[in-house]
Amino acid sequence: AQSVAQPEDQVNVAEGNPLTVKCTYSVSGNPYLFWYVQYPNRGLQFLLKYITGDNLVKGSYGFEAEFNKSQTSFHLKKPSALVSDSALYFCAVRDLYNFNKFYFGSGTKLNVKP
Amino acid sequence: GAGVSQSPSNKVTEKGKDVELRCDPISGHTALYWYRQSLGQGLEFLIYFQGNSAPDKSGLPSDRFSAERTGGSVSTLTIQRTQQEDSAVYLCASSDQGTPSPLHFGNGTRLTVT
Repeated sequence: AQSVAQPEDQVNVAEGNPLTVKCTYSVSGNPYLFWYVQYPNRGLQFLLKYITGDNLVKGSYGFEAEFNKSQTSFHLKKPSALVSDSALYFCAVRDLYNFNKFYFGSGTKLNVKP
Repeated sequence: GAGVSQSPSNKVTEKGKDVELRCDPISGHTALYWYRQSLGQGLEFLIYFQGNSAPDKSGLPSDRFSAERTGGSVSTLTIQRTQQEDSAVYLCASSDQGTPSPLHFGNGTRLTVT
C-alpha cells in the first residue's frame, strides 16, 4: 500500500533560521511525491514535486525538497524561514498503479517566530 | 488563468437538512476530486471523477453522501439529512490525467451543521 508519514505535528523555528519539515513514504516502485502548503481558510497550494531526476527539487517561495531513496524520505527545506511561511504543510504521494489516488500525510504545522 | 472555484464558501445548516456544494474545476482538467478536512486535520478522500469513467466512490462515508459531475466539468457534492459530524471543510481539486500532475485545490466550503 502507498502511504506517506509526517512524524511531526508541529515545527517551531525562528525567523531567518533554516527549516525542515519531514516526510517519509512507503510505495512500490518509484514514487511521485508532492508538497502542498495550506494557509488559514484557504485550499492547499502546490509547492513542488519529485517525479524523477535530480534528487533536489526546487519549488515556490524558496522552498526545496530532497528526495532520498535509501531513507525513503522527501523532506521539505528552506534556508531562511520567514514569518509568512507559518502554515500547514502536507506531503503527498501519487499511486503509480492507481493513478487517481493521492495519499496525503497528516500535515505539519510550521510556526515561524519573529 | 482561473483556478478551481467552490461555492458557497461558507454554509450553515440545521441538522437534518440537505446541502449541495459546488465545484467548478480548471478548464481542461479531466480529473476531479472531493476531500473532507476536519478542523486543523488531514485530508479525507471522498470521491474521484475521471472523464466518462465510473467515479471512484470508495471514500464516501455513508449513503447520505453523493456526488455528480455533469458534462465532465462542474461537480456537485450532496449531503442528505446532515449530521453535526458532517461539519468540516469540503475541498475540491482538479488535475490533468496521464501526466504526474499535481492537484489544484479550491478554497473549500466550510460546512457547519447546527
